[in-house]
Amino acid sequence: QKEVEQDPGPLSVPEGAIVSLNCTYSNSAFQYFMWYRQYSRKGPELLMYTYSSGNKEDGRFTAQVDKSSKYISLFIRDSQPSDSATYLCAMRALAGGSYIPTFGRGTSLIVHP
Amino acid sequence: NAGVTQTPKFQVLKTGQSMTLQCAQDMNHNSMYWYRQDPGMGLRLIYYSASEGTTDKGEVPNGYNVSRLNKREFSLRLESAAPSQTSVYFCASRGLGQGSGELFFGEGSRLTVL
Repeated sequence: QKEVEQDPGPLSVPEGAIVSLNCTYSNSAFQYFMWYRQYSRKGPELLMYTYSSGNKEDGRFTAQVDKSSKYISLFIRDSQPSDSATYLCAMRALAGGSYIPTFGRGTSLIVHP
Repeated sequence: NAGVTQTPKFQVLKTGQSMTLQCAQDMNHNSMYWYRQDPGMGLRLIYYSASEGTTDKGEVPNGYNVSRLNKREFSLRLESAAPSQTSVYFCASRGLGQGSGELFFGEGSRLTVL
């Protein structure tokens, strides 16, 4: 079993829908939780990160962390075709490991007009 | 700023040929990384360099070598390419003081080994 599990999709939704992307993990030492967005034929870019538990909101995007369940989510409100991309979760412990995050496999999201 | 620049962007090799992927960053970052990305496998770390003068193996180092030429440049070499090394390769860098450990990625190098 991988340390970080993420459903690869694809997830296809109509424009304007609320999207929920999720990851589960097994390492209780993880403290930083990140979401990267990767457009086709491009490198991943950091979208949001959260330290420890709780919610963080940035415009149409909300990241949630539930450490008791080892479950993180990314919500996208009023989804747009420009949100079509692969979303990778990533996480790392507080110290050690040379700051190397563990990535999920990524979920492909398609928002159709 | 260019960020992280990778060359070449595309390459086709025959089995047994060698090549070097080049990576340079202009953000004065200390740490640099090489990943490969395959369908259904996500990003897998090949090698990394925590600081100039050091390199360490990642999850899938077999068949690869790296050189941290200076603070800006980190190259990945395939000595004898195999079809299993067909992949998209990403170079990334990270600066000091970035709490989340955010990685900045290049646009990728697409390698096909026939």
